[in-house]
Amino acid sequence: GNSVTQMEGPVTLSEEAFLTINCTYTATGYPSLFWYVQYPGEGLQLLLKATKADDKGSNKGFEATYRKETTSFHLEKGSVQVSDSAVYFCALSDGIGGGADGLTFGKGTHLIIQP
Amino acid sequence: EAQVTQNPRYLITVTGKKLTVTCSQNMNHEYMSWYRQDPGLGLRQIYYSMNVEVTDKGDVPEGYKVSRKEKRNFPLILESPSPNQTSLYFCASSPGPLSYEQYFGPGTRLTVT
Repeated sequence: GNSVTQMEGPVTLSEEAFLTINCTYTATGYPSLFWYVQYPGEGLQLLLKATKADDKGSNKGFEATYRKETTSFHLEKGSVQVSDSAVYFCALSDGIGGGADGLTFGKGTHLIIQP
Repeated sequence: EAQVTQNPRYLITVTGKKLTVTCSQNMNHEYMSWYRQDPGLGLRQIYYSMNVEVTDKGDVPEGYKVSRKEKRNFPLILESPSPNQTSLYFCASSPGPLSYEQYFGPGTRLTVT
């Protein structure tokens, strides 16, 4: 079956530090890959996505590249801010069933940015 | 505003007392899902629906029921809640075939004592 593995944290960084959150996956078919962000007390919001190998998703200074050879989709940001403190989820959809059966999520990485 | 709404946002109940959590979306999405979020386990899908009157089990369906009588609504029913169903529940919707993004509601925190 499908699975997503990511560091759970908490990951604590100082403001303006470089961020990497690792994500690796196993899947059947040709998955689409996502990063979602959950701010305290809120639902999940789509941060970025990539639908095929070598695609780079980007949004709000975050980037992730779909690496089929290493089955990875690591999230990066060059300079984090206190407002980036949240829980980040890596997820995939293998496309089987046309996407109706939803996403497979990692366990989430709690990111804490200190001023 | 395009959104997924859930009610109630917070609920404390007792073992065995039937409850329903409502979910509604105003984006005319075909697909809808329910997830539960638990510490250390991430999000796990409970049920999903591909269209009106079409539902199917996700990864953790035991103890839950759903219905999809209208396209916009997808209620989650716990007929006899138990303490192990204490969790944070999210409803999500997706436009339809080959659109894999999910749009999430704000969550319902359920405590069963």
